[in-house]
Amino acid sequence: DGGITQSPKYLFRKEGQNVTLSCEQNLNHDAMYWYRQDPGQGLRLIYYSQIVNDFQKGDIAEGYSVSREKKESFPLTVTSAQKNPTAFYLCASDNQGARHTQYFGPGTRLTVL
Amino acid sequence: AQSVTQLDSQVPVFEEAPVELRCNYSSSVSVYLFWYVQYPNQGLQLLLKYLSGSTLVKGINGFEAEFNKSQTSFHLRKPSVHISDTAEYFCAVRGTGGGNKLTFGTGTQLKVEL
Repeated sequence: DGGITQSPKYLFRKEGQNVTLSCEQNLNHDAMYWYRQDPGQGLRLIYYSQIVNDFQKGDIAEGYSVSREKKESFPLTVTSAQKNPTAFYLCASDNQGARHTQYFGPGTRLTVL
Repeated sequence: AQSVTQLDSQVPVFEEAPVELRCNYSSSVSVYLFWYVQYPNQGLQLLLKYLSGSTLVKGINGFEAEFNKSQTSFHLRKPSVHISDTAEYFCAVRGTGGGNKLTFGTGTQLKVEL
């Protein structure tokens, strides 16, 4: 089955620790995205990548970092500099071009203890 | 840049009743429009999208939406809802030019009651 996988489903971390969220897609999509979802705020774009070895900041990139070494993978690191990291994180992908549907993974819920 | 407004944060409705979830957008360029559904603790799934042509778009699960350019709206409707339609619904907009990002509304929680 083609799709997007995110792991883990639930993640707990202590304050001051970095943590990396995994996102893998086998849809052969060029572009990949990371969103953060908080109650009542919809989805906010953290980072996106349109091609391997290149990525751009979204609207709320501070405290996050990404890499895109392979077309299939787009991991997100939540660093200790992110002041309020507890949230639901969604990874998505699509083919380049505004008319293409963006597909989403199942999400990772990060809780900072 | 684009923006999306979903005025209703929650919409309660009885089973088998009709429902309309409102979406208005703002953009200085032509846009494509999308509705997504999210069930608890899951990712988003596309319900339908408007790219061009007929302004009435039919999607999955019996939903439809109508694009109204003059009112900059893209309201989602279903003539008869089911308990299983209980979920959060997001309207999204994207400029038709290359490189434009998808912009989401804040979501509408649809709660279907018996």
